[in-house]
Amino acid sequence: NAGVMQNPRHLVRRRGQEARLRCSPMKGHSHVYWYRQLPEEGLKFMVYLQKENIIDESGMPKERFSAEFPKEGPSILRIQQVVRGDSAAYFCASSLTGRWDSPLHFGNGTRLTVT
Amino acid sequence: AQTVTQSQPEMSVQEAETVTLSCTYDTSESDYYLFWYKQPPSRQMILVIRQEAYKQQNATENRFSVNFQKAAKSFSLKISDSQLGDAAMYFCAYLTYKYIFGTGTRLKVLA
Repeated sequence: NAGVMQNPRHLVRRRGQEARLRCSPMKGHSHVYWYRQLPEEGLKFMVYLQKENIIDESGMPKERFSAEFPKEGPSILRIQQVVRGDSAAYFCASSLTGRWDSPLHFGNGTRLTVT
Repeated sequence: AQTVTQSQPEMSVQEAETVTLSCTYDTSESDYYLFWYKQPPSRQMILVIRQEAYKQQNATENRFSVNFQKAAKSFSLKISDSQLGDAAMYFCAYLTYKYIFGTGTRLKVLA
């Protein structure tokens, strides 16, 4: 029973390029969360998705960032025209029901470096 | 808006001693849940302990226990008999329909 899979583990992009981060939730999980962790900081909520729907994207920058969780396939966090300030670790987490008694399972994160 | 505050960026504890990590939160909700997560250098997020806000009894998991003060909106984590493997970042988290995390406390365990 594979856990939450994120890929790539490390991603290097030049300024202006696009970054695509993938997250495959645990089998059967339909609730996906994306968090950003800047160096030596906590996890900042970005977006909460539930199969094909964005439930809450209040933590997403208004421009350049988008997320989706299609009916089939992984959840994708897309960052267009990356800038140095986008360098961070991006974590995905999934939950079976989104309720408190359904544990949150984290992936190991994707470390994005913008050069 | 819900916020979670961890006012101690870094703490140190001697091996076998006890340490308490503080966490406060702000919410207008009456029904919510609180968690402590541990993040070792591997970056993996590990659930340490959780507390339902409607329960007055403090949660306990082996050497880990919480002091939950609902009126004060405080949720501290106590680690007893600290071990070298406890060294990590610790994040307090709050859940209604989404998880909000604090900025973390780095715990160092001294041999």
